Amino acid sequence: AQTVTQSQPEMSVQEAETVTLSCTYDTSESNYYLFWYKQPPSRQMILVIRQEAYKQQNATENRFSVNFQKAAKSFSLKISDSQLGDTAMYFCAFMNPLQGGSEKLVFGKGMKLTVNP
Amino acid sequence: DSGVTQTPKHLITATGQRVTLRCSPRSGDLSVYWYQQSLDQGLQFLIQYYNGEERAKGNILERFSAQQFPDLHSELNLSSLELGDSALYFCASSDRGDTQYFGPGTRLTVL
Repeated sequence: AQTVTQSQPEMSVQEAETVTLSCTYDTSESNYYLFWYKQPPSRQMILVIRQEAYKQQNATENRFSVNFQKAAKSFSLKISDSQLGDTAMYFCAFMNPLQGGSEKLVFGKGMKLTVNP
Repeated sequence: DSGVTQTPKHLITATGQRVTLRCSPRSGDLSVYWYQQSLDQGLQFLIQYYNGEERAKGNILERFSAQQFPDLHSELNLSSLELGDSALYFCASSDRGDTQYFGPGTRLTVL
């Protein structure tokens, strides 16, 4: 079974600084997707960024970018120019679309990020 | 706004009762997924429907059931509720199965 590990339970950063959130995963598959979701205090789950394992190029979405290291099974999220609105729980998630016909997401335990003014 | 809607936002009920949670997927999305978020178990996949048919089951209790209707909305039925069922229940939807968009969730409190 696939597992996702977020080893840092909590981090804080100053506004406008850059922060990196780490995630590792375990799988024997070669084709899969990785995601970062953000859960602010409103509890809404918001998709931040997506990476397809067969693409070597790291995904970017405005201030958010990933460092995808397939051989190391590592998928870190970099947030540049941190803003107060980035304060949230961040969840790393894995999905193997060929696993039993289901596209279920397997989540890490999450990491609480606080951006300080 | 993801385009996925869930009702109700909050639900407070007693042990032993039965409740129904409703989800409307984004327009055009055929897949609906249900997840449970609790403090001790984290975020767990419960069940997936695709175009009205059950596609996959996760850690869903026998007391729980779901269905997807012809208009693609889905309902999650929770019965014989226990204190431990208190959690945030999310519905997500997807069109091609490669990215899931989540609704705002239903917070269930069992007293």
